[in-house]
Amino acid sequence: DAGVIQSPRHEVTEMGQEVTLRCKPISGHNSLFWYRQTMMRGLELLIYFNNNVPIDDSGMPEDRFSAKMPNASFSTLKIQPSEPRDSAVYFCASSLRHMNTEAFFGQGTRLTVV
Amino acid sequence: GESVGLHLPTLSVQEGDNSIINCAYSNSASDYFIWYKQESGKGPQFIIDIRSNMDKRQGQRVTVLLNKTVKHLSLQIAATQPGDSAVYFCADPLNRDDKIIFGKGTRLHILP
Repeated sequence: DAGVIQSPRHEVTEMGQEVTLRCKPISGHNSLFWYRQTMMRGLELLIYFNNNVPIDDSGMPEDRFSAKMPNASFSTLKIQPSEPRDSAVYFCASSLRHMNTEAFFGQGTRLTVV
Repeated sequence: GESVGLHLPTLSVQEGDNSIINCAYSNSASDYFIWYKQESGKGPQFIIDIRSNMDKRQGQRVTVLLNKTVKHLSLQIAATQPGDSAVYFCADPLNRDDKIIFGKGTRLHILP
């Protein structure tokens, strides 16, 4: 397996634009997580899905953020409209079952909003 | 102006020596912990985990100790190598009370 695949690896966008980050979890994993990492706040859990269903989105910072998982092999994290303070590295991770096992992380998407 | 970033504790260790990285957790009900390693430009990578019915678990060159009385974890790395240079996080993945899943991390420098 190629591991968790995220795209794009880097994204530079102008303030106000819509940004969509993509994630393909490891095949067979039924939990998927979106994290954001910044120097100020470290690694924060934004939302996680179990069997494609959002379980806890309380970490999503604002209504500008939304996440979907239309099927077991794909998830998106969308920011609309984007703001400079959204600049961060966004990680997607997947695990075999819920939170009670190790999570496998993708390489991350470095987002810069100018 | 100067930006205030996340101050990561830093541990510098001579190559070949042993290192110990510490982590405190807050939720006394937590019963599962994971140590992750994050190298520059990469996502966190699983190292070792431990459940609360154990106080010690060993892997290859790594040992995790759990002290539930004082809510403390440690990661011991034996005979450190240059490739061990990274940021190390402890994670409490089942801590849903305050949403703190990952600790702030410790940066480990391996000195030649």
